[in-house]
Amino acid sequence: DAKTTQPTSMDCAEGRAANLPCNHSTISGNEYVYWYRQIHSQGPQYIIHGLKNNETNEMASLIITEDRKSSTLILPHATLRDTAVYYCIVIRNYGQNFVFGPGTRLSVLP
Amino acid sequence: DAMVIQNPRYQVTQFGKPVTLSCSQTLNHNVMYWYQQKSSQAPKLLFHYYDKDFNNEADTPDNFQSRRPNTSFCFLDIRSPGLGDAAMYLCATSRDRGQGETQYFGPGTRLLVL
Repeated sequence: DAKTTQPTSMDCAEGRAANLPCNHSTISGNEYVYWYRQIHSQGPQYIIHGLKNNETNEMASLIITEDRKSSTLILPHATLRDTAVYYCIVIRNYGQNFVFGPGTRLSVLP
Repeated sequence: DAMVIQNPRYQVTQFGKPVTLSCSQTLNHNVMYWYQQKSSQAPKLLFHYYDKDFNNEADTPDNFQSRRPNTSFCFLDIRSPGLGDAAMYLCATSRDRGQGETQYFGPGTRLLVL
């Protein structure tokens, strides 16, 4: 059901930038790309979302390719607390029904 | 400041014994969602309320029901829990249902079925 593909897992050294890719080659023109993360045994936490332009907030940056078929979430200075599963989501329809894929398990290593 | 609150965090029930999970929100959002997340899997949407309008996902079992008595509260009722219903149940809210509306999740209730 998921319209996105992500690597199963990634490692990142503490203090370095973590770059998490997501492919969404079938995205439609009016579909947003959302990123959430889920730390073990907690609810998913909103990170960022975008439509066409690159976005930045206090948590991360979102880079969307010009053809919108892929995007990259960047955590500029990863900390141990950023260890989590990161979900890239493309909204399925107007009804705002999120379809979560398996996500990327990011491990930030000391 | 808690925005989406789920109580309890852990719930134990017996096979076949009805159980109710609760969710409340302080955001005054129109939309409330319930997700099921089984171990090592991604969250899966069960249903959502848009105001008082109930929207069920096509593959949600009949065993799962929901109530939303007012804007702030939403309940998940499992009429006859089976062992396969053991999971984390996540509540989420969004201001509206259009594109670009962010969902905010609660901490979840982990259900154990004995």
